[in-house]
Amino acid sequence: AQSVTQLDSHVSVSEGTPVLLRCNYSSSYSPSLFWYVQHPNKGLQLLLKYTSAATLVKGINGFEAEFKKSETSFHLTKPSAHMSDAAEYFCVVSDRNQGGKLIFGQGTELSVKP
Amino acid sequence: KAGVTQTPRYLIKTRGQQVTLSCSPISGHRSVSWYQQTPGQGLQFLFEYFSETQRNKGNFPGRFSGRQFSNSRSEMNVSTLELGDSALYLCASSLEASGGHYSYEQYFGPGTRLTVT
Repeated sequence: AQSVTQLDSHVSVSEGTPVLLRCNYSSSYSPSLFWYVQHPNKGLQLLLKYTSAATLVKGINGFEAEFKKSETSFHLTKPSAHMSDAAEYFCVVSDRNQGGKLIFGQGTELSVKP
Repeated sequence: KAGVTQTPRYLIKTRGQQVTLSCSPISGHRSVSWYQQTPGQGLQFLFEYFSETQRNKGNFPGRFSGRQFSNSRSEMNVSTLELGDSALYLCASSLEASGGHYSYEQYFGPGTRLTVT
């Protein structure tokens, strides 16, 4: 069975400092992995996706993630945090055996201090 | 292109009642999935529809059902509402290319906030 584990439930950074949100996955085959962001009282927005092409994936708003098979990790990074980045972030794996059903991590709440 | 739309955005119901939520996917998207989001359980998959057929189902009781119409719009229904059904219900649509190659990336609507009292 596929699963994702987000290692931090809450991360706090200062504006202008780097962001690191950690995610480990478990999959019996090459996975499709995603990061989604959810701002308060909003739906989910796709930040980036990995589907077995380049291991370093660039997304929107300056975010990127690196797929590391040896470490089964897919950590999300951003060089410099903005106040508008404060939100909940979800690491997600797609279950190809079930028509693309998404399996979500528990989420990481990112706080950005001025 | 317009995004995924969901109606209504907010709903308050009483225990024992039933409710129907609606989702209109992005134009051209044929797959629609539904998810339930609660503080305790996080985001959980309810079911997926493709070409008017339920393709996958999550681990929810039979009180949760859905359907998809020929224009790909989808509805989900919850009968005999319980307090624990209070949640944000999210709909997502996905483009599936011909030949069964899944796009996998799903685009979410803003959700319907259901409160059961």
